[in-house]
Amino acid sequence: EVQLVQSGPEEKKPGESLRISCKGSGYTFANNWIAWVRQRPGKGLEWLGIIYPADYETTYSPSFQGRVAISVDRSVSTAYLRWSSLKASDTAIYYCARRDPYDYTGNYQFHFDHWGQGSLVTVSS
Amino acid sequence: QSALTQPASVSGSPGQSITISCTGTSRDVGGYNYVSWYQQHPGKAPRLMIYDVNHRPSGVSSRFSGSKSGSTASLTISGLQAEDEADYYCSSYTRNIWLFGGGTKLTVL
Repeated sequence: EVQLVQSGPEEKKPGESLRISCKGSGYTFANNWIAWVRQRPGKGLEWLGIIYPADYETTYSPSFQGRVAISVDRSVSTAYLRWSSLKASDTAIYYCARRDPYDYTGNYQFHFDHWGQGSLVTVSS
Repeated sequence: QSALTQPASVSGSPGQSITISCTGTSRDVGGYNYVSWYQQHPGKAPRLMIYDVNHRPSGVSSRFSGSKSGSTASLTISGLQAEDEADYYCSSYTRNIWLFGGGTKLTVL
């Protein structure tokens, strides 16, 4: 069974750094992309970026480039989302989601088939 | 890139059908057949309901269907059930990034 298990809730102050995690299991971690999606309180989904563990290729949304950093550690099948200096506006639930790049016929796929449970990040002074 | 445009809310009675639209541009929805739809119940993670415009993952009810015309994609839910009450988001791949719609709250009356 494919599972993405995320780290627990965090409470931070503005200016602090933070790294949250997303551990994949039940599939070949390296061969599937991991995306990060933000959901502010009462708001919609926003795509932050995506990483391919096999070669560390990473793409960011122009809206989030430079604000967050996405990385992976293949040895523990875990993806990370990091902030170096949090703002109150970063308060949100952050989801990781898997993208399997190919379907059973070998064609490209561009959707997110499994999601983590979400990590609540609260930034407040 | 701007978010895709969805109606804020739709409603329907049990047994009826509803359609949620998702409008983009020729650079995203209109340019690729990579539109997907996600269902999100309160306090839960999103769930994939439709991918590649009109394909259903295994385990998703056949009451859910998708289509696209030009730069507007649509999600149709037939035979509405109480459990369908949730937020629905469309998404489109475009030039190495993904866009989401603003979300539509479905109320089952």
